[in-house]
Amino acid sequence: GESVGLHLPTLSVQEGDNSIINCAYSNSASDYFIWYKQESGKGPQFIIDIRSNMDKRQGQRVTVLLNKTVKHLSLQIAATQPGDSAVYFCAETTSGSRLTFGEGTQLTVNP
Amino acid sequence: DSGVTQTPKHLITATGQRVTLRCSPRSGDLSVYWYQQSLDQGLQFLIHYYNGEERAKGNILERFSAQQFPDLHSELNLSSLELGDSALYFCASSSSGNAQYFGPGTRLTVL
Repeated sequence: GESVGLHLPTLSVQEGDNSIINCAYSNSASDYFIWYKQESGKGPQFIIDIRSNMDKRQGQRVTVLLNKTVKHLSLQIAATQPGDSAVYFCAETTSGSRLTFGEGTQLTVNP
Repeated sequence: DSGVTQTPKHLITATGQRVTLRCSPRSGDLSVYWYQQSLDQGLQFLIHYYNGEERAKGNILERFSAQQFPDLHSELNLSSLELGDSALYFCASSSSGNAQYFGPGTRLTVL
């Protein structure tokens, strides 16, 4: 039969606005979380990470929030730019082993 | 540029054939991970090697095998290829317990 592609959640924002991308993770034992950006035809690119003993971490224009109680991660991108348009994945891992990826969110930035 | 290299970038082959994908990790990274990304399955972990030894296996078919050599580069061997093996194959590398950095991927097309 014909393959059906993943139907990714989408987020469309205006250039200059702030973006918030959410992710629910599955394993309460996961102790390390990473956000990746993937542009079409390229490999996932590391954006920011956070360990389970933290609830917030900031980078350049990006902030990750971790809520272990409800197993939720979010990625905030400030002053979103057209170059931020991509698919964003959260990933979880335990003690540096395999990554388990979320479904991804397609971010579109409108100029 | 993540520092992880993969060759070839594209590979087109026929069903029943065998191919080898190559990955060179970032300088100093002892861990190499392989992932498969298909349209309907997202990013799936295949196998993890650390300093030449297999550490973990994920959803890797018996037709697939991998190894990591003394110089730390890794190869993923795919045999008896089927149409459904068409996908992007990524390797990632990391130093212990830290973020995985992904290569640009190999796009495999099985005709």
